[in-house]
Amino acid sequence: QKEVEQNSGPLSVPEGAIASLNCTYSDRGSQSFFWYRQYSGKSPELIMSIYSNGDKEDGRFTAQLNKASQYVSLLIRDSQPSDSATYLCAVNPPSSNTGKLIFGQGTTLQVKP
Amino acid sequence: DAGVTQSPTHLIKTRGQQVTLRCSPKSGHDTVSWYQQALGQGPQFIFQYYEEEERQRGNFPDRFSGHQFPNYSSELNVNALLLGDSALYLCASSLRVSGNQPQHFGDGTRLSIL
Repeated sequence: QKEVEQNSGPLSVPEGAIASLNCTYSDRGSQSFFWYRQYSGKSPELIMSIYSNGDKEDGRFTAQLNKASQYVSLLIRDSQPSDSATYLCAVNPPSSNTGKLIFGQGTTLQVKP
Repeated sequence: DAGVTQSPTHLIKTRGQQVTLRCSPKSGHDTVSWYQQALGQGPQFIFQYYEEEERQRGNFPDRFSGHQFPNYSSELNVNALLLGDSALYLCASSLRVSGNQPQHFGDGTRLSIL
């Protein structure tokens, strides 16, 4: 079992729709969770961090965390073609006190005009 | 406020050669982590430096080594290059204290091995 798993996609949604990206992790004691966006040929860009169960909203983005189910998701409301990118889920495992991140393989999102 | 900077942007080497990649952390950050990202994959942790020492290491061979300087900048060295070392090498910086601190990435160095 991979430490952090994401569906590689591509996930295709029409412009204006809600895009839902999902991620599961294997280490139950993980405490810190991050979503990064990566455009083709570019480096990852931090878009959301979440540390507690529940929802965290920032503009059109909402991160959701359920530690009991070891599940974290990212919702993008009113999706725009500029949101088309690969979204990486990253987890800081409890075995690390140095901020080491374990990444999923990423989900490719395509927003069609 | 300068972000994380990496050099060079692109590099082409042949098998068996050695390479050095450089990274300057974001202003105010004291910790540098290096990641390798193969095409179509998520970044994989190589190692992390803080106070000029390697603090944690991922599952990479000893051919991968690093260094951190007093000004917090860092180098990644890879010896005896293999074709499989072709990847995007990412440097990320953060402020030490806890794992809760988000890491900010530089633009990366794309290394191609011929």
